[in-house]
Amino acid sequence: EAGVVQSPRYKIIEKKQPVAFWCNPISGHNTLYWYRQNLGQGPELLIRYENEEAVDDSQLPKDRFSAERLKGVDSTLKIQPAELGDSAVYLCASSAPDSRYGYTFGSGTRLTVV
Amino acid sequence: RKEVEQDPGPFNVPEGATVAFNCTYSNSASQSFFWYRQDCRKEPKLLMSVYSSGNEDGRFTAQLNRASQYISLLIRDSKLSDSATYLCVVNTGLRNQFYFGTGTSLTVIP
Repeated sequence: EAGVVQSPRYKIIEKKQPVAFWCNPISGHNTLYWYRQNLGQGPELLIRYENEEAVDDSQLPKDRFSAERLKGVDSTLKIQPAELGDSAVYLCASSAPDSRYGYTFGSGTRLTVV
Repeated sequence: RKEVEQDPGPFNVPEGATVAFNCTYSNSASQSFFWYRQDCRKEPKLLMSVYSSGNEDGRFTAQLNRASQYISLLIRDSKLSDSATYLCVVNTGLRNQFYFGTGTSLTVIP
């Protein structure tokens, strides 16, 4: 079974430029999460989808961040414009309907804003 | 108050030592509990779920104390390869809502 697939693995951009990350969850996992992780910190939830519905986006900085999961499968996370403080690892995860099994992370996208 | 709190460490222990981490959670209605392991520059990976009766997987033992609202992870006979950050994760049961601790850093020294 393929795991959670994310791309790109690394991205370096100049501040004020846009950037987008892509995630393909495990087949059958209807819940998808985007997390941001700074060095030495635990992951922080940005947005959680149940199928195509964003059910928790309270931590998403909506002035510059947007996300979509149009068909309830793949998802994209966009930052426009990027700021220096956005440098972090952006992790996507997915989970099955039964939350007892935890969830699976993708390998993440390491974003550096210069 | 944070949903999940962990001692960030770092814990530096010699090979063969026994080490334990605790993690407290604030929501008494939390239903599922997990320990994840994260290696440097890698994504977190599920180490083990934590069951009400406690569970063991080789050198790793996880326990849940609902009365005091904490979970623990015990590692016996530490190996160099156990060096990593250990994250506790709590699911409140509300529509797959998971909360992470900040992680506990472990370094096993030869």
